This record gives sequence, C-alpha cells and structure tokens, in this order.
Amino acid sequence: EIVLTQSPGTLSLSPGERATLSCRASQSVNSNYLAWYQQKPGQAPRLLIYGASSRATGIPDRFSGSGSGTDFTLTISRLEPEDFAVYYCQQYGSTVWTFGQGTKVEIK
Amino acid sequence: EVQLVESGGGLVKPGGSLRVSCAASGFTFISYSMNWVRQAPGKGLQWVSSIDTSSSHIYYGDSVKGRFTISRDNARNLLYLQMNSLRAEDTAVYYCAKSFGWYFDFWGQGTLVTVSS
Repeated sequence: EIVLTQSPGTLSLSPGERATLSCRASQSVNSNYLAWYQQKPGQAPRLLIYGASSRATGIPDRFSGSGSGTDFTLTISRLEPEDFAVYYCQQYGSTVWTFGQGTKVEIK
Repeated sequence: EVQLVESGGGLVKPGGSLRVSCAASGFTFISYSMNWVRQAPGKGLQWVSSIDTSSSHIYYGDSVKGRFTISRDNARNLLYLQMNSLRAEDTAVYYCAKSFGWYFDFWGQGTLVTVSS
C-alpha cells in the first residue's frame, strides 16, 4: 500500500497569498496517477487536479498541480476567500486507493 | 448534471448489519466504475471499496475486507454497500463517488452510519 504524507498539517495564510501544499508518497506513484481534492466543512470532496497536473472541469487556473514519482505539489497562486478548506491528495495508480491525511488552509 | 444521492445510513449496534445505497443520475451509469469512501467524524478520507462497470473486478480496503460487500444494479442505476459485523470504528459518513479513469470525479453528499450500543 502506498502511504501518502501531506505537509504541512495546517497552513495559515491571508487572502491573496500563495499556498504551497506538499504530498509525498512512500513509493513511486504509477503513471503519476495523483489527484487533489478540496473539502469544505459539511460538504463532499471536490476534484481539483488529476494526473498530477491536469485541472478538472470548472476549476480556476489559480490552482495548479505539479510533481512526479514520489513528490507532488498543489499550488494556489492567490488565495480567494472560498479557497480556505482542507485539501487531500490521493493516488489511484494501484487497486488500493489511498489518501493523504489532509492539509487545512486557514485564514491567518 | 451528475447526481449521486446516498441513503440508508443510521444507528446500528456493534455486530449488526446495514445496507447503504447510492442513486445515480445525469450520466450513463453502466459506463463508469463506482466507489465508496468514508470519513470518520473529524478525520480524513478513507477509501472503502470499488467496483468496475460489469461487477467483474471488485476491490476492498483491508479494514473492511470480509465484512463489507459492494454491488451495483445497472438497470436501476444503483450502487450498494452491504456492511456486516459492524464495529464502532466503522462510524463515518459514507460517500458514493463516480470514477473517471480511476480517480473520483463526482461525489455524493454522504450518509452517516453510526455504530454504537
């Protein structure tokens, strides 16, 4: 099973700032099958990024994903008020899907 | 518009059983693999089970293997999760999620399962 470790656990930033979230895998993720999801309180997760760097339909271009192998990054170029949420990475390169523990982006 | 609506959650005693369902609409259900993901109160996401379009390939997480059974009814656009031998640690919101490739592109709002005496 591939273990995903996200850092930091909490990111305290102000609107307009840049957010950089990390996701590290315990072994190489097959074909960069790495996705990012956003979850707000009381809501279901929403797909942001798939294939490590492809934005899902309707996702603003301030969200970008990068990385390969075992190290992946989600960047939010300029935080909007609606971006404060919890973000999860997920690998889907094997038939044991796993999620990271999440990074909370909170208002400073 | 894709819609996934879970139902069937509730309070059940340890050792008991429960079946949750997910009604799908707005897409060709038979063409997509489907999944269950859960989230314990205040915790992160945990993948539970996945099923391909024809129910030929089915996968389970280690924590539910042998106790939970995923199934689907393509004629009625329904996904199911039969949960047996429930434990307190199975308490969670259970989400139904549609696959595209093997990532999860749409999620339902979830149904809460509470296992307590």
